[in-house]
Amino acid sequence: DVKVTQSSRYLVKRTGEKVFLECVQDMDHENMFWYRQDPGLGLRLIYFSYDVKMKEKGDIPEGYSVSREKKERFSLILESASTNQTSMYLCASSLTRDEQYFGPGTRLTVT
Amino acid sequence: GESVGLHLPTLSVQEGDNSIINCAYSNSASDYFIWYKQESGKGPQFIIDIRSNMDKRQGQRVTVLLNKTVKHLSLQIAATQPGDSAVYFCATGSSSNTGKLIFGQGTTLQVKP
Repeated sequence: DVKVTQSSRYLVKRTGEKVFLECVQDMDHENMFWYRQDPGLGLRLIYFSYDVKMKEKGDIPEGYSVSREKKERFSLILESASTNQTSMYLCASSLTRDEQYFGPGTRLTVT
Repeated sequence: GESVGLHLPTLSVQEGDNSIINCAYSNSASDYFIWYKQESGKGPQFIIDIRSNMDKRQGQRVTVLLNKTVKHLSLQIAATQPGDSAVYFCATGSSSNTGKLIFGQGTTLQVKP
């Protein structure tokens, strides 16, 4: 079974802090994605990566950056957390450019 | 821009009945369609997918129907069980959009015992 893990299930940070969300997949997938999920807005793509050291902006990249130094790991970085970044963050990976496998999510609260 | 919409935010069915969850999409270039299930506190889980060269695909207790003419997708769940209670998302992708999926907002399925 594909396994996508995320470093934290729940996280509370203060405004202005730098926040790192880690995602690891164990199936040698080339493609990895970061989404945020908010009530009434569905899943919105923040960033994605098709290869190591490669990244592309999604639909809402502002306020975020990513890092992919190893194939299995894709990190989402909030450079200076703000309250409007309080959300559920979901990481996904895929082998082909189709079906995506999701991690359990990190619920981030910025106070 | 592209959009994917679900017809009902909430669907309530009796245990044992069949459930039908609908989804509409706007992009004619969409050629790949997926249904996900998300239980409370968990990430979305793949249920079934279908490509544009098909109009029907069956899995275990689930069937996906695709009508490309009206850009409509549906998920049918046979003999709905309490464990089917969850939020269901449809998502679309296209070969020209290199792996990105567009997600609908989700329909909450409530199964009454």
